[in-house]
Amino acid sequence: KQEVTQIPAALSVPEGENLVLNCSFTDSAIYNLQWFRQDPGKGLTSLLLIQSSQREQTSGRLNASLDKSSGRSTLYIAASQPGDSATYLCAVFIVQGAQKLVFGQGTRLTINP
Amino acid sequence: GAGVSQSPSNKVTEKGKDVELRCDPISGHTALYWYRQSLGQGLEFLIYFQGNSAPDKSGLPSDRFSAERTGGSVSTLTIQRTQQEDSAVYLCASSSRQGSYEQYFGPGTRLTVT
Repeated sequence: KQEVTQIPAALSVPEGENLVLNCSFTDSAIYNLQWFRQDPGKGLTSLLLIQSSQREQTSGRLNASLDKSSGRSTLYIAASQPGDSATYLCAVFIVQGAQKLVFGQGTRLTINP
Repeated sequence: GAGVSQSPSNKVTEKGKDVELRCDPISGHTALYWYRQSLGQGLEFLIYFQGNSAPDKSGLPSDRFSAERTGGSVSTLTIQRTQQEDSAVYLCASSSRQGSYEQYFGPGTRLTVT
């Protein structure tokens, strides 16, 4: 059974810092990995998607990496801003058996002005 | 273009009543998913539709839960005889079967069972 773990559960940093969020998964048989952002009381916004054959993806100040063999992904946020405060969710898409996203529990990020 | 929409945004119901939650996927997306987000369980898969194929119901927590998708587009998730443990945010997502399989989520329906 695929399990996804995110560390840390919560993170608070001052504005301007670079930071890394971690995600690990137990089964390397994934089709892709998505990072999402969730603001309080809102749905999920897709930030980055990495196909299983890719090593990283970049969008603006965000960079996500994938090491499928070790079952790890990181989300790097450069020059953090208060508007980055949200919960960040990592999810792997599996296609064996039920085709679905398996989510981690999320990292609650607070950027302090 | 329009994203995934869900209705209602909030629903309060009494224990034992039936509820229906609606999802309108992105036009042209053939795959539709329902997930549930609750405090104790995080985000968990409920059911998956692909085109006109039989849905994958493997994530439904009990036989009180059912879902249908009409005309390969709009989907309705029905919960019968609601229980307090059904209180959660129900999220719908859709994706194209081609390319990346990236899933796009709706804003969710917050269900509260009193």
